[in-house]
Amino acid sequence: QLQLQESGPGLVKPSETLSLTCTVSGGSISSGLYWWGWIRQPPGKGLEWIGSIHSGGSINYNPSLKSRVTISVDASKNQFSLKLNSVTAADTAVYYCAGPRSTGDHWFDPWGQGTLVTVSS
Amino acid sequence: EVVLTQSPATLSLSPGEGATLSCRASQSVSSFLAWYQQKPGQAPRLLIYDVSNRATGIPARFSGSGSGTDFTLTISSLEPEDFALYYCQHRSNWPLTFGGGTKVEIK
Repeated sequence: QLQLQESGPGLVKPSETLSLTCTVSGGSISSGLYWWGWIRQPPGKGLEWIGSIHSGGSINYNPSLKSRVTISVDASKNQFSLKLNSVTAADTAVYYCAGPRSTGDHWFDPWGQGTLVTVSS
Repeated sequence: EVVLTQSPATLSLSPGEGATLSCRASQSVSSFLAWYQQKPGQAPRLLIYDVSNRATGIPARFSGSGSGTDFTLTISSLEPEDFALYYCQHRSNWPLTFGGGTKVEIK
């Protein structure tokens, strides 16, 4: 059974880069035609899709974040990562990584437990 | 970008009652719509995908319907564990977007 776990600093200073890693267990990140995603949720607010990366290498980003976001895969570690640069307080949120329900679709199942990242000096 | 508008924002109901949640898309998303449930302090959980297919382990009291721009999540008889937040999401094109959510609370 696929399981995902986010890791990374819980506190990032304004203007710096937020870096998170999602470790996948129970399956290989590079097998099959799967999309892996990052979603965030500011405190008390709704869900915002950040971007998705395909096991074949394609990547799509939310246009609202595209200039600041990089998503990559490290197949050797069975991980995928998120980098968000030039962060501000508005980037404070719980960040989730999520796996694919099935080959080729963009339904997120399962999700990691989420990690709160606070942007503050 | 497809904007998903969920209504109502809050639904106050009693256990045993039925719930009807709406998700309206700003343009057609065909049948590419899903519903998630989120409880406090937890990650969202996929309930329904492709409008009407229940995800693994989801009870039959949850059902989805609709097409094009208007979609509905129905909970036939609310159990205590169903009081939560519900979000819709589309995958018809990029970017993927979520609705603003409907909170189902105990009356």
